[in-house]
Amino acid sequence: EIVLTQSPGTLSLSPGERATLSCRASQSVSSSYLAWYQQKPGQAPRLLIYATSSRATGIPDRFSGSGSGTDFTLTISTLEPEDFAVYYCQQYGSPRYSFGQGTKLEIK
Amino acid sequence: EVQLVESGGGLVKPGGSLRLSCAASGFTFSRYSMHWIRQAPGKGLEWVSSISSSSDYIFYADSVKGRFTISRDNAKNSLYLQMNSLRAEDTAVYYCSTVKGSGSYPFDPWGQGTLVSVSS
Repeated sequence: EIVLTQSPGTLSLSPGERATLSCRASQSVSSSYLAWYQQKPGQAPRLLIYATSSRATGIPDRFSGSGSGTDFTLTISTLEPEDFAVYYCQQYGSPRYSFGQGTKLEIK
Repeated sequence: EVQLVESGGGLVKPGGSLRLSCAASGFTFSRYSMHWIRQAPGKGLEWVSSISSSSDYIFYADSVKGRFTISRDNAKNSLYLQMNSLRAEDTAVYYCSTVKGSGSYPFDPWGQGTLVSVSS
């Protein structure tokens, strides 16, 4: 099973700032099979990024993904108030899917 | 518009059983794999089980293997999760999800979830 470790656990930033979230895998993940989700309180997760760097439908271009091998990054270029949420990475290349433990992005 | 609506959650005693359902609409259900994911209160996401479009391939997380059974009825556009021998640690919101292609795709979209509480 591939274990995904996200850092930091909590990130405190202000609107307008840049956010960088990390996801590290216990073994190499094909860049085709790494996704990022956003979850707000009381809501289901929403797909943001798939295949490491492709934005899902309707996702603004301030969200971008990068990485390869075991290290992946989600970047939010300029934080908007609605971006404060919990973010999860996921690998979906193996049928034993796995998620990272999440990074909470909170308003400073 | 793709819609996934879970139902069947509730309060059950340890050792008890519950059957969750997920009603799908807005897409050709029989073409796509379906998945259950859960989230314990205040915790992260945990993949639970997956089933291929024609039920040929089924996978379970180790934490539920032997206790949970995933199934689908393509004629009824419905996904199910039979949960037996429930434990306190199974308490969670259970989401169903699908994918947008055959092969390896991320989970998109997700239903709104149904809460399962296991307590005496």
